[in-house]
Amino acid sequence: GAVVSQHPSWVICKSGTSVKIECRSLDFQATTMFWYRQFPKQSLMLMATSNEGSKATYEQGVEKDKFLINHASLTLSTLTVTSAHPEDSSFYICSASPAGGNQPQHFGDGTRLSIL
Amino acid sequence: QQQVKQSPQSLIVQKGGISIINCAYENTAFDYFPWYQQFPGKGPALLIAIRPDVSEKKEGRFTISFNKSAKQFSLHIMDSQPGDSATYFCAASVNAGNNRKLIWGLGTSLAVNP
Repeated sequence: GAVVSQHPSWVICKSGTSVKIECRSLDFQATTMFWYRQFPKQSLMLMATSNEGSKATYEQGVEKDKFLINHASLTLSTLTVTSAHPEDSSFYICSASPAGGNQPQHFGDGTRLSIL
Repeated sequence: QQQVKQSPQSLIVQKGGISIINCAYENTAFDYFPWYQQFPGKGPALLIAIRPDVSEKKEGRFTISFNKSAKQFSLHIMDSQPGDSATYFCAASVNAGNNRKLIWGLGTSLAVNP
């Protein structure tokens, strides 16, 4: 149980384009989803927390106009990297917590984003 | 300031040995302590977790020891196997406004030699 699917797993695109990453909870309803960024051999850096039906809460230093987050349903959240540039290249990972109480986060397999 | 300090940064263990990874924290508001295992190119997977009212939790070959007074907790991997080679992260959960947030350690790269 508690499966989180992330798509795509890998994307390469040209500088200036926008890229959308999807995060789905397959077998549970996720009231809260999280988006992380991870650089090679480093820990996870929380970018933002999204609650279904409300605006995302961004961490300090994360540009909300650059990283658009939508959490339109209890099973889907999307992260759109707008006007991507090479410095946005990274490993992006989502996680989701089931509804109710102090629930653990379950992670997707990440998206490797490469901007040329 | 690293709120959750994890050590060692890397660890090499022989097959069959015990792998021990330690974490320490300062914030007494932390109330849930998970360990995650991450393989290259994959997302972290929840391995085992503990709450501060428990001093030890065991699941198979994995054990968490928790010392509330010292604000330390550790992961023990018994009978370590080459397939356990991965990066391990400790984390601590805390209320942050309307949500809960995970504060992460920097990770430990474990290599188990056959």
